[in-house]
Amino acid sequence: GQQVMQIPQYQHVQEGEDFTTYCNSSTTLSNIQWYKQRPGGHPVFLIQLVKSGEVKKQKRLTFQFGEAKKNSSLHITATQTTDVGTYFCAGLSTSGAGSYQLTFGKGTKLSVIP
Amino acid sequence: DTEVTQTPKHLVMGMTNKKSLKCEQHMGHRAMYWYKQKAKKPPELMFVYSYEKLSINESVPSRFSPECPNSSLLNLHLHALQPEDSALYLCASSQDMGYYEQYFGPGTRLTVT
Repeated sequence: GQQVMQIPQYQHVQEGEDFTTYCNSSTTLSNIQWYKQRPGGHPVFLIQLVKSGEVKKQKRLTFQFGEAKKNSSLHITATQTTDVGTYFCAGLSTSGAGSYQLTFGKGTKLSVIP
Repeated sequence: DTEVTQTPKHLVMGMTNKKSLKCEQHMGHRAMYWYKQKAKKPPELMFVYSYEKLSINESVPSRFSPECPNSSLLNLHLHALQPEDSALYLCASSQDMGYYEQYFGPGTRLTVT
C-alpha cells in the first residue's frame, strides 16, 4: 500500500530559528495536505497542494510540492512559541475504482525554546 | 459554522461494556470519517462514509461498528473492546471525498479497563 515517510520525527529549535519538515511518498500523489496538531488538540488543516512544483505561502510558512508529486516540504521562518505542535503531511492517492486514500505521515513534533 | 463536535470528551469502559461515540457537523459535508490515534502516532483511518453510505472500512475489527443516521451525524458503537483499543478517537468531515480538506473534531479519549 501507499506509504508516506516524514522526517525528522522531532525537531527542537531556538525561537527565531527556521524549521523544515519533509515528506516522501512511495507513489505519485494526487495532492498533499498539511495539518498541525497542538499538544492535547486535534489536527487542523493548514493547506493543500495539488500541482506539480506548486509553492504556497502562509505568512511565515512555505509549502512546496515536488515536480514528480512524490515529495513535499513545510518550512517555517523565524519560529515562534505558537508554532509548537506536530505537523503532519497527508498524501492523497486514487485507485482505478475511483476511491481515495489519504495516508498520513508519522508527523514531525516541533518544540520551540524561548 | 466550521465545527465538528464529538461526545463524550472522555470515556472509560470495561471490556464487557457497550458504549457509543457521537459526532456531528452542520457544514453540509457529505463525507465523514472515523480515525483512531494512539499517543505520538498519526491518525489512523478506520471508516469513511460518503453520502451516508459506508465507503471505506480499513479492516477494522467487528467490535467497532459505525453508523451514519443522517448526513450530519456519525456514531461509533463499541462492544467488547480490548485494553489496546484505548486511544483518541477522532471524527472528521469534508465536503466530499478526495480533494477536500478535512475538519477534525476534538476527539473522544477512550480508556478500556
